[in-house]
Amino acid sequence: QKEVEQNSGPLSVPEGAIASLNCTYSDRVSQSFFWYRQYSGKSPELIMSIYSNGDKEDGRFTAQLNKASQYVSLLIRDSQPSDSATYLCAVPNQAGTALIFGKGTTLSVSS
Amino acid sequence: EADIYQTPRYLVIGTGKKITLECSQTMGHDKMYWYQQDPGMELHLIHYSYGVNSTEKGDLSSESTVSRIRTEHFPLTLESARPSHTSQYLCASSEGLTGATDTQYFGPGTRLTVL
Repeated sequence: QKEVEQNSGPLSVPEGAIASLNCTYSDRVSQSFFWYRQYSGKSPELIMSIYSNGDKEDGRFTAQLNKASQYVSLLIRDSQPSDSATYLCAVPNQAGTALIFGKGTTLSVSS
Repeated sequence: EADIYQTPRYLVIGTGKKITLECSQTMGHDKMYWYQQDPGMELHLIHYSYGVNSTEKGDLSSESTVSRIRTEHFPLTLESARPSHTSQYLCASSEGLTGATDTQYFGPGTRLTVL
């Protein structure tokens, strides 16, 4: 069974700082990776997906993938209080039928 | 914006009752999923469907059952609710064009409490 590991946090950063969230996975053959954001009491929403090694940028968010080291990270630049949420890392399961989610990292951005 | 709906949003029910959680999507997605999430814990896949008349059990064993008679509808049923079923149930869908690697869109969830 694949495993997805995340530091549960909480990760606390001041407003305007860079927040760095990390995720490691156990299956070397994973080809796609997803970051979801989940506000307390709400359902997950997709932030970014990444398939290739390197960086992918979308606004204030940058996903970084290193398949050799089996980790994927999410950087949030100019963090805002509205970014305070739990960030979930997800990879496809071995059967390729659905996603396996990590427990998530809780981010708190203070103003 | 995802058009996926779940009802009810909140349900408090007594032990032994039969319940059905509704999930509908208007995006024409082939693949649909049910996840279970306890507070502060990860999502666990309990059922999925690749299309009409296709249903499979997920990675987490569940006493619930599902059906997929129409593309847009994927209800989950518990024949006899127990307190151990208390959790948040999240429905999701995806286009299904590239297997599990396509984006999943989540509904708002149903928070179930069994007394």
